[in-house]
Amino acid sequence: AQSVTQLGSHVSVSEGALVLLRCNYSSSVPPYLFWYVQYPNQGLQLLLKYTSAATLVKGINGFEAEFKKSETSFHLTKPSAHMSDAAEYFCAVSANTGNQFYFGTGTSLTVIP
Amino acid sequence: DTGVSQNPRHKITKRGQNVTFRCDPISEHNRLYWYRQTLGQGPEFLTYFQNEAQLEKSRLLSDRFSAERPKGSFSTLEIQRTEQGDSAMYLCASSDAERDLRETQYFGPGTRLLVL
Repeated sequence: AQSVTQLGSHVSVSEGALVLLRCNYSSSVPPYLFWYVQYPNQGLQLLLKYTSAATLVKGINGFEAEFKKSETSFHLTKPSAHMSDAAEYFCAVSANTGNQFYFGTGTSLTVIP
Repeated sequence: DTGVSQNPRHKITKRGQNVTFRCDPISEHNRLYWYRQTLGQGPEFLTYFQNEAQLEKSRLLSDRFSAERPKGSFSTLEIQRTEQGDSAMYLCASSDAERDLRETQYFGPGTRLLVL
């Protein structure tokens, strides 16, 4: 079975500060891992995905995530937060091609000016 | 083609009525997924198609729900005898299983359903 846990349903950071959103996964097979962002009243936009080619994955808008098998984690980071980063962020895991994604409950990021 | 589209974007209906949503995937994407998202939660899988074949259904998909993808292109999701608990955002996603080994799913903007 596959699942993800996102620690912290709400995270607040100051503009220019480091963003760290946590995701831990559970999977009985090597996982495929994704981070999506959702702005109000919109669908989900892909930020980045883990392809197993490299443990550090770079995505759009300056975000990156590091796959750590020993910690079963795939935390999302950004060195310097912008006001435009305020949104809901979802981590997802998929074990096999064609199967459903299992999403976490999301983390709402607030950026304080 | 700019992405996955869904219609309508918003639907308000009375309890007991039937509703139908449409999803147009990215051209040539052979897989199409339906998810439901309630307030404060992540999307939950409902069902998916490979071409016109419906390959997997979640137990969340009660017998009041039916999905079709008759020609392997657009898909419809129908809810019969709607209940207030059906109020949610219904998301559609598509992927290209032949070209994208990691099966990235691209999401539409969703249809927000409110059952009164």
